[in-house]
Amino acid sequence: NAGVTQTPKFQVLKTGQSMTLQCAQDMNHNSMYWYRQDPGMGLRLIYYSASEGTTDKGEVPNGYNVSRLNKREFSLRLESAAPSQTSVYFCASSESGLVYNEQFFGPGTRLTVL
Amino acid sequence: DQQVKQNSPSLSVQEGRISILNCDYTNSMFDYFLWYKKYPAEGPTFLISISSIKDKNEDGRFTVFLNKSAKHLSLHIVPSQPGDSAVYFCAASGRTSYGKLTFGQGTILTVHP
Repeated sequence: NAGVTQTPKFQVLKTGQSMTLQCAQDMNHNSMYWYRQDPGMGLRLIYYSASEGTTDKGEVPNGYNVSRLNKREFSLRLESAAPSQTSVYFCASSESGLVYNEQFFGPGTRLTVL
Repeated sequence: DQQVKQNSPSLSVQEGRISILNCDYTNSMFDYFLWYKKYPAEGPTFLISISSIKDKNEDGRFTVFLNKSAKHLSLHIVPSQPGDSAVYFCAASGRTSYGKLTFGQGTILTVHP
């Protein structure tokens, strides 16, 4: 039982390159989330998926797209990376979107855009 | 506009003493509050939560207090242990926010042996 897994762990991109961050969970959770963490800013929600087949914008969605591939997988795509997207990205999942359902986080992807 | 604020970037305490981490919020629609703990190179893990219908919730060494009139919550750790050294994030959500959490900036807690 791996929980929430993220790949890759580290990535360096040049400005304008694209990449997809992968996330998978094995807890049969319905809801999944992508956050970014920047120094002094805490975690900010980029996109979330309340259930398979649905996605919605969070607080900072600009420059990102997401795909809820199936119940297990939720990917985050940067189409044209910018230095402002240098951050640590966390994926999370929860049984449902109800507030009292604990969110379980993956170990994060550290992305640097040069 | 930071709706959840943790004004102390860091806190240092001695092993065995009490650690008190503070959090303030501005959005009156928030009615559920959580604390997450994060070790380096790991994702945050859930620690304890409190609903706005309560003013206190305890779980072992961890107690969260909520003062709704002041829009303030605090996390008490008693007694503090070196293994508690981590970054602590306060988070808040509204009943209609469907799992969307708003996080504070985090407080780095260091517990010295």
